Amino acid sequence: GENVEQHPSTLSVQEGDSAVIKCTYSDSASNYFPWYKQELGKRPQLIIDIRSNVGEKKDQRIAVTLNKTAKHFSLHITETQPEDSAVYFCAAKGRGSTLGRLYFGRGTQLTVWP
Amino acid sequence: EAEVAQSPRYKITEKSQAVAFWCDPISGHATLYWYRQILGQGPELLVQFQDESVVDDSQLPKDRFSAERLKGVDSTLKIQPAELGDSAMYLCASSLGPPGETQYFGPGTRLLVL
Repeated sequence: GENVEQHPSTLSVQEGDSAVIKCTYSDSASNYFPWYKQELGKRPQLIIDIRSNVGEKKDQRIAVTLNKTAKHFSLHITETQPEDSAVYFCAAKGRGSTLGRLYFGRGTQLTVWP
Repeated sequence: EAEVAQSPRYKITEKSQAVAFWCDPISGHATLYWYRQILGQGPELLVQFQDESVVDDSQLPKDRFSAERLKGVDSTLKIQPAELGDSAMYLCASSLGPPGETQYFGPGTRLLVL
């Protein structure tokens, strides 16, 4: 099946700086890549996603880029705020027979210092 | 805004006991997923339902875990007997249509096996 690697495992930034989290995947047939934010004790929430027919997607301070050739995708958060502090998970949708199964990375603990 | 509901939120049990978790997906969502999230890791799929049918249970330890979605709406995940290594967060998610649609997560059930 799919294998998703996520880096870094922890990331600390100063408020206002940018944060970048990177993920790689192994299955070239994967075609859907969501990012989830999970605050302590709360449910994972989708913050942005991208499909393999586009290379970049933006939503206010959040953007995701996808490089299908290199099989990696990244989350970019600009002008970080303390409320961005959370664990962020990337995921990739498995191919055909796995019927939409998501494979998650191990997560990145982002801390934004005021 | 509709959300996925889960109960209980927390469960403490002794090893060898039976435990059950309940999930009510967003109304109208045909696909339901059960994930297990070990502390410090991303969610891993245990079982996926399309309506009342299991479409992927390849990672479900079937000797002790069972899941059902009898009427294609809410679902129950059972562990019998529980083992120490089952301590984790159990997350339920649902999506509207075919697999690959955006998955919405419930708040999870945190299980501690003593």
